[in-house]
Amino acid sequence: DIQMTQSPSSLSASVGDRVTITCRAGQSISTYLNWYQQKPGKAPNLLIYGASNLQSGVPSRFSGSGSGTDFTLTISSLQREDFATYYCQQSYITPRTFGQGTKVEIK
Amino acid sequence: QVQLQESGPGLVKPSQTLSLTCTVSGGSISSGSYYWSWIRQPAGKGLEWIGRVSATGSTNSNPSLKSRITLSIDTSRNQFSLKLSSVAAADTAVYYCAREVLVAALPYYFDYWGQGILVTVSS
Repeated sequence: DIQMTQSPSSLSASVGDRVTITCRAGQSISTYLNWYQQKPGKAPNLLIYGASNLQSGVPSRFSGSGSGTDFTLTISSLQREDFATYYCQQSYITPRTFGQGTKVEIK
Repeated sequence: QVQLQESGPGLVKPSQTLSLTCTVSGGSISSGSYYWSWIRQPAGKGLEWIGRVSATGSTNSNPSLKSRITLSIDTSRNQFSLKLSSVAAADTAVYYCAREVLVAALPYYFDYWGQGILVTVSS
């Protein structure tokens, strides 16, 4: 299995802040990396696929980058509705694996 | 608009078999452009991929669960199903069904998810 490690596990930020979340894969996964947002009691929602492609309907303040083993999700200006938990996921091989999540909280 | 909806018992006794169905609406499950997956999430924890089935019935499962998993698809009903045998308390979780999009014939990302169903394993 490919282990996915996110950092930090949680962070506190204010509205308007720039936020960066990192995901590291246990082996190279090219750009087979996706990002999801999950709010309490809801299913995850796809934000970014293929490391850097913005899913339709997702605000442009979200962006992704990286390849190989190191990836980044950036929120350029945090909005109130962005307070949630974020997960990375590799689609390079099965079993599909997810990072442990990064909880973004209000400062 | 594609929608996925999980259904099944919310309570299963230890050692019994958990059975869930996902009904897809707004699109055909027979399309060769997607795989149909199950993912679970214990309370307060992260996401675990269980397995997937294609429109042709081919399956892939998580090796950690493989011996206990049965995945199937019913294209006539636009449904796919999960059976997990010999359940224990550790199988208590919210179970999601999800659609995995194929890009250049390779499964790539989960774009639609069901709302999730809480399954509790308890006597």
